[in-house]
Amino acid sequence: EVQLVESGGGLVQPGGSLRLSCAASAFTFSRYWMDWVRQAPGKGLVWVSSINSDGSTTNYADSVRGRFTISRDNAKNTLYLQMNSLRAEDTAVYFCARGNYADPGVWGQGTLVTVSS
Amino acid sequence: QLVLTQSPSASASLGASVKLTCTLSSGHSTYAVAWHQQQPEKGPRFLMKLNSDGSHSKGDGIPDRFSGSSSGAERYLTISSLQSEDEGDYYCQTWGTGIWVFGGGTKLTVL
Repeated sequence: EVQLVESGGGLVQPGGSLRLSCAASAFTFSRYWMDWVRQAPGKGLVWVSSINSDGSTTNYADSVRGRFTISRDNAKNTLYLQMNSLRAEDTAVYFCARGNYADPGVWGQGTLVTVSS
Repeated sequence: QLVLTQSPSASASLGASVKLTCTLSSGHSTYAVAWHQQQPEKGPRFLMKLNSDGSHSKGDGIPDRFSGSSSGAERYLTISSLQSEDEGDYYCQTWGTGIWVFGGGTKLTVL
């Protein structure tokens, strides 16, 4: 079964850091763009970042550019999101998702990040 | 600016049909969109990619009750024979240069 499983969420103080991981299985991970999307409590889906198949191209939403870094390890079939200088407004469930322009999309179940003192 | 507009809410009776609308901003009427479903307390699920000509490709296991159509800048998701498990939020999404853009979502209530 094609699957994405996120991990690494938790409670962190403002200004702190956290690294999220997303483990992919049952598809050729190295072929796909991958994305991070977040959802604040009670709000809609918001795109955060994307990375191309070999990791050479990355994109970020204005709200996280300069603070977040997306990366991937194709040998480990894993996507990452390094989050630094976290703010209260970064509190959200973070989902990883497979690029869905040319092939059916796949979503993970999400991991909750809470930024609070 | 690439923007997707969705009505905040919709409702329909059990067994009936409902048509949800996603409107592309001016100058972007040829863009394809993807539709996603999010049931309460769950992660999103990809439903389909919908092209400007109305052709669409669904995700694995998506029932035939879900279909898509297009007219100009409008992209539609039609759900027929509504079931209780269809209740939830529905998001349309499109693609910019290396980015995704989401609509605000439509909350569907099955009466």
